[in-house]
Amino acid sequence: AQTVTQSQPEMSVQEAETVTLSCTYDTSESDYYLFWYKQPPSRQMILVIRQEAYKQQNATENRFSVNFQKAAKSFSLKISDSQLGDAAMYFCAYSTGRFQGGSEKLVFGKGTKLTVNP
Amino acid sequence: DAGVIQSPRHEVTEMGQEVTLRCKPISGHDYLFWYRQTMMRGLELLIYFNNNVPIDDSGMPEDRFSAKMPNASFSTLKIQPSEPRDSAVYFCASSGQGRGTQYFGPGTRLLVL
Repeated sequence: AQTVTQSQPEMSVQEAETVTLSCTYDTSESDYYLFWYKQPPSRQMILVIRQEAYKQQNATENRFSVNFQKAAKSFSLKISDSQLGDAAMYFCAYSTGRFQGGSEKLVFGKGTKLTVNP
Repeated sequence: DAGVIQSPRHEVTEMGQEVTLRCKPISGHDYLFWYRQTMMRGLELLIYFNNNVPIDDSGMPEDRFSAKMPNASFSTLKIQPSEPRDSAVYFCASSGQGRGTQYFGPGTRLLVL
């Protein structure tokens, strides 16, 4: 079974600075997707960024980018120019790819609580 | 476009009562997922549907839990009888294609006393 590990329960960053959240995963599959979701105090789960395992290029979305290291099974999230609104729980998630078959569920890590200090 | 809609947003009930959670997926999406979030276990899948058919219900904890999707725009998750350990936030999510991004509803916070 696939597992996702987020080793940092909590992180903090100063406003306008850069922070990196870590995620590692364990799988024997070659085709899969990885996601970062944000959960602010409102509890809403919001997609931040998505990476297809077959793509070598790291995904970016404005101030958010990932460092995807397939061989190391590592998928970190970098937030640049941190803003107060970035404060939230961040969850790393894994999904089996379309050519792999099997369940399409998301497997989540335990989350990292990010605090942004003014 | 409206996102995934869940109701109620909050539910407080007493042990032994029946609880019904409702979900309306994004129009046109043919995958619907039910997740549960607790402090102890984090976020975990309960069940998901494709074209209204249950595909994977391996996460449903026990027979007290049941889920239905009578049509493409509505799903229910029912707990009968409810127990205090069922207290959690229940999320519904939908996706428009296989292995596609899942879009989450606002969740239902359930408290069973």
